[in-house]
Amino acid sequence: NFMLTQPHSVSESPGKTVTISCTRSSGSIASNYVQWYQQRPGRAPTTVIYEDNLRPSGVPDRFSGSIDRSSNSASLTISGLRTEDEADYYCQSYDTSIPWVFGGGTKLTVL
Amino acid sequence: EVQLMESGGGLVQPGRSLRVSCAASGFTFSSYEMNWVRRAPGKGLEWIAYISASVRSIFYAESVKGRFTVSRDNAKNSLYLQLNSLSVEDTAVYYCARIRRSNNGYYHIDYWGRGTLVTVSS
Repeated sequence: NFMLTQPHSVSESPGKTVTISCTRSSGSIASNYVQWYQQRPGRAPTTVIYEDNLRPSGVPDRFSGSIDRSSNSASLTISGLRTEDEADYYCQSYDTSIPWVFGGGTKLTVL
Repeated sequence: EVQLMESGGGLVQPGRSLRVSCAASGFTFSSYEMNWVRRAPGKGLEWIAYISASVRSIFYAESVKGRFTVSRDNAKNSLYLQLNSLSVEDTAVYYCARIRRSNNGYYHIDYWGRGTLVTVSS
């Protein structure tokens, strides 16, 4: 089994760029795809990135995903921050014994 | 439009049971694998159960294995989660979520319901 570790919170100003990391505890980050989900307060989660760096239709290109083998981590980058981007963000990947593994979530504050 | 609508949550005493449901619409429910995911107060998302489209494959998280049962009725476009032997640690919003498989065989959640709150308390 592995864990996905995310920073508890990040904050940035409107118009700026923020990056949220997701570090895999064991095994290679590249061995299974990583997804990113956004959950605004009181709302259902939505998918913003799947298969490391693909955006579902309707998700603006301000959202991008990547993986870094050297740090064994995935990243979600949001550019041109808007107040509506304020939400909790979760990374997710797969394991043979636990089909779906979520990170602990990162609270993004846009101030 | 794809819609997933959970229902059946509420206040239940420890040790009791509850069944939550998820009504699907806007897509061919019988063709999709489904997940249940929960979020406890102040905590993050936790995957708890998976069911394949044909019901041939079912998986559970260790935290609920032996207590929770996932099922579906494709004729009714509905997904269910039977929660038995509930404890206060099961207090959470329970979400149903549709799984999408890409052409390369990999999969991810593409739609989520709004969730139903289950509160376990005496």
